[in-house]
Amino acid sequence: KQEVTQIPAALSVPEGENLVLNCSFTDSAIYNLQWFRQDPGKGLTSLLLIQSSQREQTSGRLNASLDKSSGRSTLYIAASQPGDSATYLCAVFRPGSWGKLQFGAGTQVVVTP
Amino acid sequence: DGGITQSPKYLFRKEGQNVTLSCEQNLNHDAMYWYRQDPGQGLRLIYYSQIVNDFQKGDIAEGYSVSREKKESFPLTVTSAQKNPTAFYLCASSIKEPTEAFFGQGTRLTVV
Repeated sequence: KQEVTQIPAALSVPEGENLVLNCSFTDSAIYNLQWFRQDPGKGLTSLLLIQSSQREQTSGRLNASLDKSSGRSTLYIAASQPGDSATYLCAVFRPGSWGKLQFGAGTQVVVTP
Repeated sequence: DGGITQSPKYLFRKEGQNVTLSCEQNLNHDAMYWYRQDPGQGLRLIYYSQIVNDFQKGDIAEGYSVSREKKESFPLTVTSAQKNPTAFYLCASSIKEPTEAFFGQGTRLTVV
């Protein structure tokens, strides 16, 4: 069974520092990987989707890398801002899973002014 | 605007009562999903549907039921058989070839 782990569970950084969030998965046979942001009491907002044939995706200050062989993905957020405070979740699609996502428990991020 | 609408935002259930959570999407997606989120845990799949009039159990289907009579709608009923229903419920959808999943804003269910 696929296991998805996010470390650390919580992270606090001062404004302006770069954020590095880690996601690991046990089965490298994934279809793709998606990073989400969740604000308290809200739904999930899709940040980046990395297809299995890709090694990274970028959107503005966000960059996500994917290394299937080692079972890892990393989300980088450059020059963090207080508005980046949220919980960040990664999820993987597995072949044959027909869109069913396997989620990590998330990393709660606090960016202090 | 295209998206997924969940209602209500907050729902309170008395012991022994069935309640239904609504999920509607106008993205023309074939697949729809229900997830449950508990504090400190990842999302867990309750039910999913790939096509109208068809649905499958996820990892924690006991005490829940769904229907898929229309492509755009996938309501979830939390029955009295669900012993610990207090949680945050999220609905999602994706196209038939699984790429990106999109989520609604969630319904918080509380047992009173």
